[in-house]
Amino acid sequence: KAGVTQTPRYLIKTRGQQVTLSCSPISGHRSVSWYQQTPGQGLQFLFEYFSETQRNKGNFPGRFSGRQFSNSRSEMNVSTLELGDSALYLCASTGPEGTDTQYFGPGTRLTVL
Amino acid sequence: ELKVEQNPLFLSMQEGKNYTIYCNYSTTSDRLYWYRQDPGKSLESLFVLLSNGAVKQEGRLMASLDTKARLSTLHITAAVHDLSATYFCAVDVSWDSNYQLIWGAGTKLIIKP
Repeated sequence: KAGVTQTPRYLIKTRGQQVTLSCSPISGHRSVSWYQQTPGQGLQFLFEYFSETQRNKGNFPGRFSGRQFSNSRSEMNVSTLELGDSALYLCASTGPEGTDTQYFGPGTRLTVL
Repeated sequence: ELKVEQNPLFLSMQEGKNYTIYCNYSTTSDRLYWYRQDPGKSLESLFVLLSNGAVKQEGRLMASLDTKARLSTLHITAAVHDLSATYFCAVDVSWDSNYQLIWGAGTKLIIKP
């Protein structure tokens, strides 16, 4: 089975711009979660989508948004980028195995200049 | 406040030695995860602990969960260089009809030959 894929792997943007990141979950997985990882704050949960609906949300400002498509692929959008948004953005998909183990993608490294 | 605390945060040890990483959490949870992250890489699931007293072993790693003490341990037996990585624990918590994983800060483990 192919793993979780994320595109692009690296992005450089400037302050004020917006960015869209993409995540394709493992085939058959319907839940996709997004995380931000920084050296200072560690891993922080952004939101989770299940069957095209946002099911859970972390404590991030409204500039961070997401969506999920009918094929379970998910996108995350960050508008009006700030320097502090520089981070590794990870997505994870969860399958129906019953243990809710999250399988992580390789991440998108976003640098905001 | 929801907190997951790992200690130590940094551990340098010799091959062949045993050591334990601790994960304390501040709220009720019956589900705890251990992940491994290699430098520049994504997160790899190691263990899912689903109930009090759960113990799981894989190779030189053994994880246990005490939900009453709100404590999980990751024990490394006869460490080898390949186990050098950062290890994270994460706890499944729910509140206000929301749920998410709360992550520890990670323990950076360096094993010297």
